Amino acid sequence: DAKTTQPPSMDCAEGRAANLPCNHSTISGNEYVYWYRQIHSQGPQYIIHGLKNNETNEMASLIITEDRKSSTLILPHATLRDTAVYYCIVRVLSNSGYALNFGKGTSLLVTP
Amino acid sequence: DGGITQSPKYLFRKEGQNVTLSCEQNLNHDAMYWYRQDPGQGLRLIYYSQIVNDFQKGDIAEGYSVSREKKESFPLTVTSAQKNPTAFYLCASSVPGLAGFGAQYNEQFFGPGTRLTVL
Repeated sequence: DAKTTQPPSMDCAEGRAANLPCNHSTISGNEYVYWYRQIHSQGPQYIIHGLKNNETNEMASLIITEDRKSSTLILPHATLRDTAVYYCIVRVLSNSGYALNFGKGTSLLVTP
Repeated sequence: DGGITQSPKYLFRKEGQNVTLSCEQNLNHDAMYWYRQDPGQGLRLIYYSQIVNDFQKGDIAEGYSVSREKKESFPLTVTSAQKNPTAFYLCASSVPGLAGFGAQYNEQFFGPGTRLTVL
């Protein structure tokens, strides 16, 4: 799986958009970009994934650059409950179970 | 409600004792996983199982053992051979899916975790 690079921490004011970057310059053509988040002392939670098109769901938007070497997770209106560690993971799809390679992620602090 | 349960939430054991962590899921998922998380670190894979009666070692399997006798259950035993067992343990499951049928089939669902402290 391609390696990812994320800033260790970020701050965001409540109500503003939180833009979390991820670098994956060695990504290959069949690898997807996944985002998970982990609120303190809980299990990680799936947020969104994409291959090359931008994706949006009820939680967030995922913007992938045209060359696919980086992506940005956007939380459009951050709330205090969005304070968590956000993990960017790159991996291929598999027709069998496939473990996720979690790095240290980005610790997002949403402030009042 | 479908989901993954782990018990207990907090576990204390004396050094040298084996301890088994429970993980149960009623999502009808074939694949299950065990991860370990140390403070300020990401998750590291211990073991995973793609199907009943089959499992593979992850990155840090030494000192751990698992079994997969039922689809719903994937218990993890932390043995006395694990040199530093104090950590947060997370279990997950997923539906293996064919590429092209939707990446959602590779989404992993996590349990609430068990925090093990060895005294």
